[in-house]
Amino acid sequence: DAGVTQSPTHLIKTRGQQVTLRCSPKSGHDTVSWYQQALGQGPQFIFQYYEEEERQRGNFPDRFSGHQFPNYSSELNVNALLLGDSALYLCASSPSDRGYQETQYFGPGTRLLVL
Amino acid sequence: AQTVTQSQPEMSVQEAETVTLSCTYDTSENNYYLFWYKQPPSRQMILVIRQEAYKQQNATENRFSVNFQKAAKSFSLKISDSQLGDTAMYFCAFMKYGGSNYKLTFGKGTLLTVNP
Repeated sequence: DAGVTQSPTHLIKTRGQQVTLRCSPKSGHDTVSWYQQALGQGPQFIFQYYEEEERQRGNFPDRFSGHQFPNYSSELNVNALLLGDSALYLCASSPSDRGYQETQYFGPGTRLLVL
Repeated sequence: AQTVTQSQPEMSVQEAETVTLSCTYDTSENNYYLFWYKQPPSRQMILVIRQEAYKQQNATENRFSVNFQKAAKSFSLKISDSQLGDTAMYFCAFMKYGGSNYKLTFGKGTLLTVNP
């Protein structure tokens, strides 16, 4: 049973560019959440997708957008990259079944460096 | 808004000994979940243990146990018989219960080093 997978593992971009990160949830999970983890900090919630719609959003600008596909996989897009966007981006998946939806399983992350 | 505070940026323990990591949180909610996640140097975040606020009994998972004090808004993690593989960043996290709110709010983490 594959866990949460993310691609790519590392990425280097320059300021002003755009980036797309990808996530495949754990088998049986239909909800995907994205987090940004700056160096030395705890993860910060970006947004969550369920049934191909953004269900909840954290305190991130509109430059951060996402998408969920019918197979529950998800993309995180960041436009007009800033140096401060350099971070580890974590994807987490969870089922929507009552009693289980609160436990999120994380992928290995994508390390983004903006130069 | 909820906040999670981990007051110990770094801790160390000798192999086979017991260590306790502290976590406090601030919320006006009555129903919520609390979690401890572990992030080893390989960086994959792994769930260690979870606690439902409505349960008075403290959660236990093998060598890991929690001391949940709801009135004090405290949620500490005790690791018994520490092993070298326990070396990692440990994050305490909060999640409000119910509705469609299933986001995790994390503390800044505690770096635990287990020494041989």
